[in-house]
Amino acid sequence: EDKVVQSPLSLVVHEGDTVTLNCSYEVTNFRSLLWYKQEKKAPTFLFMLTSSGIEKKSGRLSSILDKKELFSILNITATQTGDSAVYLCAVEAGNAGNNRKLIWGLGTSLAVNP
Amino acid sequence: NAGVTQTPKFQVLKTGQSMTLQCAQDMNHEYMSWYRQDPGMGLRLIHYSVGAGITDQGEVPNGYNVSRSTTEDFPLRLLSAAPSQTSVYFCASSYRRGSANVNEQFFGPGTRLTVL
Repeated sequence: EDKVVQSPLSLVVHEGDTVTLNCSYEVTNFRSLLWYKQEKKAPTFLFMLTSSGIEKKSGRLSSILDKKELFSILNITATQTGDSAVYLCAVEAGNAGNNRKLIWGLGTSLAVNP
Repeated sequence: NAGVTQTPKFQVLKTGQSMTLQCAQDMNHEYMSWYRQDPGMGLRLIHYSVGAGITDQGEVPNGYNVSRSTTEDFPLRLLSAAPSQTSVYFCASSYRRGSANVNEQFFGPGTRLTVL
């Protein structure tokens, strides 16, 4: 059965800390891995990763994929209180055509204290 | 662009009542989907559509119907509401890039549904 596991489930840090969130997966026919941020509302897209070893960056956030070890990490440097959110990982898997699907992890709840 | 819009934002139903959750997008996305999000369960796919006139079941379709008569609209119908359907419902849409259907989904603001 396809599954996506995120760790830790929750994390509390102080402003300025660096955090690393983990996402591991076991799926059939991996296509891509996506990271989303959810702040009490709808998830918003952060990154999509398809190739191993290529880092995606956006400001203080970065992410990388390891398709051999089947995981991805999301790094946030110099955290701010505005980074407090649930970070969701999803993996797109399946064959070509209309059989693709997204498998979602349960998320990591990050709280950044001032 | 308004993006993905959902109505209503909140709804309380009694067991056995029916209702329709509305979803619309103005980005000309081919792929649209409905999720429910429950504590400890994550996002679960209810139904999805890869284009007008085409719908298919997701992970938890029972008790829900959908239709896709236009590219823009993808309503979700609860046929006979049950307390187990108390949840937050999200509609999402995405481009269809080549043979990929589900990259970079844009989510609506959600509907919080309570069934008594």
